[in-house]
Amino acid sequence: DGGITQSPKYLFRKEGQNVTLSCEQNLNHDAMYWYRQDPGQGLRLIYYSQIVNDFQKGDIAEGYSVSREKKESFPLTVTSAQKNPTAFYLCASSIAGGNSPLHFGNGTRLTVT
Amino acid sequence: AQSVTQLDSQVPVFEEAPVELRCNYSSSVSVYLFWYVQYPNQGLQLLLKYLSGSTLVKGINGFEAEFNKSQTSFHLRKPSVHISDTAEYFCAVSLSGTYKYIFGTGTRLKVLA
Repeated sequence: DGGITQSPKYLFRKEGQNVTLSCEQNLNHDAMYWYRQDPGQGLRLIYYSQIVNDFQKGDIAEGYSVSREKKESFPLTVTSAQKNPTAFYLCASSIAGGNSPLHFGNGTRLTVT
Repeated sequence: AQSVTQLDSQVPVFEEAPVELRCNYSSSVSVYLFWYVQYPNQGLQLLLKYLSGSTLVKGINGFEAEFNKSQTSFHLRKPSVHISDTAEYFCAVSLSGTYKYIFGTGTRLKVLA
């Protein structure tokens, strides 16, 4: 079955360390997204990519970085510059934008202490 | 600017009773509308979508929603809920011709025995 795989499901890091979250999809979707979810705040867009080797900042990109070297993969790095990195991170993909629904992975819960 | 409002953060309802989860949006351009469900520690799953055509949309698990352009609403309904419907529900809009999806803050539905 096609889908989106995020790993690991739980991740613990010390403050000051960079950490990379993995996102892989086998849906053959062109577009991929990273969202951050905090209680009571809904989903906020960090970065998105419409096509390989291209990506755009979302609403809360500061302290994060991404790459899109392959269609299937869209890793997210949470850098030490992110002031409040503890959150639930969701990766998604879509065939195209606008009228295409998002397909989500099962998320990675990052805890930074 | 576009926005999505889910006024009810929590909705308790008894099993087999009907439920309506409210969603209002604001946008000066054409939008597409979605409802997603999220179970604890999982990603979001698409319940239904409105792209065009009939304003009454049927989705999975017995849910339906009605698009009301004049009231800029897209309320989600189910005539008889089950314990297994306990989850968080998110309304989202996407803007025509873009990769921008805007989510509401979610409504936590708790079905009581």
